[in-house]
Amino acid sequence: GENVEQHPSTLSVQEGDSAVIKCTYSDSASNYFPWYKQELGKGPQLIIDIRSNVGEKKDQRIAVTLNKTAKHFSLHITETQPEDSAVYFCAASSKGGEKLTFGTGTRLTIIP
Amino acid sequence: DSGVTQTPKHLITATGQRVTLRCSPRSGDLSVYWYQQSLDQGLQFLIQYYNGEERAKGNILERFSAQQFPDLHSELNLSSLELGDSALYFCASSVGDGSNQPQHFGDGTRLSIL
Repeated sequence: GENVEQHPSTLSVQEGDSAVIKCTYSDSASNYFPWYKQELGKGPQLIIDIRSNVGEKKDQRIAVTLNKTAKHFSLHITETQPEDSAVYFCAASSKGGEKLTFGTGTRLTIIP
Repeated sequence: DSGVTQTPKHLITATGQRVTLRCSPRSGDLSVYWYQQSLDQGLQFLIQYYNGEERAKGNILERFSAQQFPDLHSELNLSSLELGDSALYFCASSVGDGSNQPQHFGDGTRLSIL
């Protein structure tokens, strides 16, 4: 089945700097890649997603890039703010696209 | 607020017992998914229902079962509970049958087995 690896597991950046989180996947048939943000006591919140026919997608300070050949995708957050502190999960769909396989998460801390 | 409602928020019970977790999907969503989140296993897909029918199955134990009712709410039943079943259980929903569609998560039920 699909396997998703996520790095780093923890990341601290100064407020205003950029943060990058990287994921690799194993199933070349995967074609949908969402990113989720999870705050303490809350469920994962979808922040951006990308499909395999697109190489990059941007939404304000958040962008995701996808390299299908290398089977990796990355989340980029620019001009980081304290409210960006959370755990971020990448995921990949497998088979018919119903099942999401999640990475192990990155705890992002923004230092004021 | 994702629009997905899960009850109860917390559940404390003992080994060997049975519990039922409830999920109401976002208005208009036909698919419901159940996930388990634990420290050692991360977020694991359990099962998906689409418009009342089981659609996809993950690593769901035989002691666990789910169903989706005509009003589209779903219940996850966990029986013969073991200490290792302590975890956060999340429900998510999507508009269609799930094929590469955004899934929106509720805030989960925290299950503690004593």
